[in-house]
Amino acid sequence: RKEVEQDPGPFNVPEGATVAFNCTYSNSASQSFFWYRQDCRKEPKLLMSVYSSGNEDGRFTAQLNRASQYISLLIRDSKLSDSATYLCGEKAGGFKTIFGAGTRLFVKA
Amino acid sequence: EPEVTQTPSHQVTQMGQEVILRCVPISNHLYFYWYRQILGQKVEFLVSFYNNEISEKSEIFDDQFSVERPDGSNFTLKIRSTKLEDSAMYFCASSGQTQETQYFGPGTRLLVL
Repeated sequence: RKEVEQDPGPFNVPEGATVAFNCTYSNSASQSFFWYRQDCRKEPKLLMSVYSSGNEDGRFTAQLNRASQYISLLIRDSKLSDSATYLCGEKAGGFKTIFGAGTRLFVKA
Repeated sequence: EPEVTQTPSHQVTQMGQEVILRCVPISNHLYFYWYRQILGQKVEFLVSFYNNEISEKSEIFDDQFSVERPDGSNFTLKIRSTKLEDSAMYFCASSGQTQETQYFGPGTRLLVL
């Protein structure tokens, strides 16, 4: 089983839609979780860290479900500029971040 | 806002040649990393560096690779005797005291011919 798994998509949604992505992880010892955004041929940029209590930043909400070992990202009121690949990442106490392969999102006008 | 910088942005080399990729991490960060991303694939961890030594490395990071922090600001990745399969985007990243959030540089696109 892969360490971090994501639905590759693509998700095609109209502007203004709400869209959600999940990411599952296999290591129950994982301690830290992140959502990054990656535009084509660019570096990953941190979108938000994911806390046990969940966190929200504007239109973006991240949740962690330790029992089922997944994290989620909800994007409300999608904008054209939200079109990107969304990477989930996890750290199990070491130094490295393990990334999923990413979920592609296309927001259409 | 402080950012990680990398040079060069693109590098083309012949198979068997040595390349050095350079990074300037965020100035008050203590943990440094190299990742790579082969076209169309996921971002993969190569190595982490702390207190002037390698703290963790992946299976990819074999004897062909080495890292160095030659001065107080630069962090380099050397690839000896490059192979075709080394063609990828190489990202440098750094993080602060908590080892938490890692901030990525814009990457060096390496093409081995």
